[in-house]
Amino acid sequence: DGGITQSPKYLFRKEGQNVTLSCEQNLNHDAMYWYRQDPGQGLRLIYYSQIVNDFQKGDIAEGYSVSREKKESFPLTVTSAQKNPTAFYLCASSMGRARRGEKLFFGSGTQLSVL
Amino acid sequence: QKEVEQNSGPLSVPEGAIASLNCTYSDRGSQSFFWYRQYSGKSPELIMFIYSNGDKEDGRFTAQLNKASQYVSLLIRDSQPSDSATYLCAARVDYGGSQGNLIFGKGTKLSVKP
Repeated sequence: DGGITQSPKYLFRKEGQNVTLSCEQNLNHDAMYWYRQDPGQGLRLIYYSQIVNDFQKGDIAEGYSVSREKKESFPLTVTSAQKNPTAFYLCASSMGRARRGEKLFFGSGTQLSVL
Repeated sequence: QKEVEQNSGPLSVPEGAIASLNCTYSDRGSQSFFWYRQYSGKSPELIMFIYSNGDKEDGRFTAQLNKASQYVSLLIRDSQPSDSATYLCAARVDYGGSQGNLIFGKGTKLSVKP
């Protein structure tokens, strides 16, 4: 089955610790995205990548880092500089930015909490 | 600042009624609009997308777009308790370096009462 796999489903971070959230897709999509969702809030864009080996900051990139070494993978690291990391993190992918009506597909999400 | 605005709700409708969800957007350059449904603790799933003025129907769902008014809506006919969820409206950025990115509203929580 084609899709987007996020792991782990739940993650706990200790103060001062960096943690990495995994996102893998087998849809052959060029573009991948990371969103953060807080309770009762919409989705806010952290980072996005339109092509391998290239990525751009979104609206709330501070305290986060990403890499895009393979087309299928777009891991997100929540660094110790992110002082309020508790949130639901969603990875998404699409075929690319050129098509009108291009759809975004989401993984199942990772709930990150601070110990 | 590109924005998408939605009434947070909750919007409560009786089973079998029509639920009407509304959304406005600030960026006149946006050409494509999306409605996602999100159950509590789950990821969003795409219900409808629309990029032409007017109505687009898919089963019990109808999306409406009015570009002059910068207004998008979603109608759910014959609402069912299983439609109870948060509905996210999104506008696509269709120009510039962030072309292809979606701007999401905060969502409207819908509750369908049996």
